[in-house]
This record gives sequence, C-alpha cells and structure tokens, in this order.
Amino acid sequence: DVKVTQSSRYLVKRTGEKVFLECVQDMDHENMFWYRQDPGLGLRLIYFSYDVKMKEKGDIPEGYSVSREKKERFSLILESASTNQTSMYLCASIPGLAYYNEQFFGPGTRLTVL
Amino acid sequence: QKEVEQNSGPLSVPEGAIASLNCTYSDRVSQSFFWYRQYSGKSPELIMSIYSNGDKEDGRFTAQLNKASQYVSLLIRDSQPSDSATYLCAVKGAQKLVFGQGTRLTINP
Repeated sequence: DVKVTQSSRYLVKRTGEKVFLECVQDMDHENMFWYRQDPGLGLRLIYFSYDVKMKEKGDIPEGYSVSREKKERFSLILESASTNQTSMYLCASIPGLAYYNEQFFGPGTRLTVL
Repeated sequence: QKEVEQNSGPLSVPEGAIASLNCTYSDRVSQSFFWYRQYSGKSPELIMSIYSNGDKEDGRFTAQLNKASQYVSLLIRDSQPSDSATYLCAVKGAQKLVFGQGTRLTINP
C-alpha cells in the first residue's frame, strides 16, 4: 500500500556537498511538492511541480533546485549544502490542484549538514 | 502577521475531555481548509477538510469554519491518549497550501 516514498529516512552530508533527495509516487498524481519542516516554523514550501518538466518556486526556494523528468519522480537538489539546510524534508503529491483533500506525504528525510 | 497562525502549545487535556485547537488565517479569499495530524517522527496525515462556514463532523472530530472571522478550529471529543500529536492547520491559497506552525496536543490518562 505504498503511495509516496523517499529515498532516505536519514542523511548526513558535509557543507558544500551536492545533495539529491528523491521522491516517488505510485498514484499517477499530477502535482508534487517539496516542503521542509523546522521546529516552530511548520511546513514551508520549497518547490512544486504541476507537470513533467514543469516547476514553480515556493516560499523558500533559495539554495535548492528541482527536477521532474518523469511523472512519478520529483527530485530536490541542494547545489551546495549548508548547515542552515539541516531539516526534515517532506515530499507530497496530489492528483490536481483542486484535490488537496487527497494529499499524501512521504515518510520524510531528516537531513543533517555538518 | 503570519498567513496562518496557531498556538504552538503544548495543550494538555485530560482523557475523555474535549480538545479544542484553533487557527486563524489572513487571506480573506481562502476557500479550503485542512487539519493534519502528525505523530512524533512521522509525516502529516490529513484528518479533516472543510470548505463552507459551519461545522463538519467525522467521528470524534469536528471542524468549524468562520470565514467572516477568518477562523477555523478542530474539536476532538472523548480525547484518547492516541490523539496525542501535533495538529497542523493548512489553508489553500491560489495554488498552494500554507501551513501553521502546529499545536502540540497531549492527552493525559
């Protein structure tokens, strides 16, 4: 009954490394999202994609990029990891923008940048 | 002013009592509102959605929406220890959801 998976549950990287976080959904959803979650700040949207090869910046895109080459896969890239990117990263998907009531989250990746 | 505001808590409620969680939002044109539950170390799961003014009930959960006051709440009746979690309020803007910071709820046996 797997719906949204993320490549790693825990990840430790060094400052300056290029980091790839992968998300895969098996529900044929159109829209996919990357959030980060920090204590006291809730979930903040980094990027989202409404179609293959289409992307939109969210509220905090600085220092991140994304790739969506296939409908089921949405990747978050940290070009040069910094300590302030230590966070929980959550991927989510919905069938379309009118269907947030069907949003599923992945299990999350806790990234630590040393 | 934050777009979506919640009291971060912690909110402590005795078992069997009613837990009341509140959320205010700033965008008057918002039309869709959601409550998520997040257990420690887990990802959020959707528990309620509400689109019209008034109450919407689902089992022990009731969502209440007042668009004039820009206020949405979640009531949990007969609170159980398993309801202990962080509850996130989310409001849909033009394209995306905006989340509050979450309220940590503890149900005391």
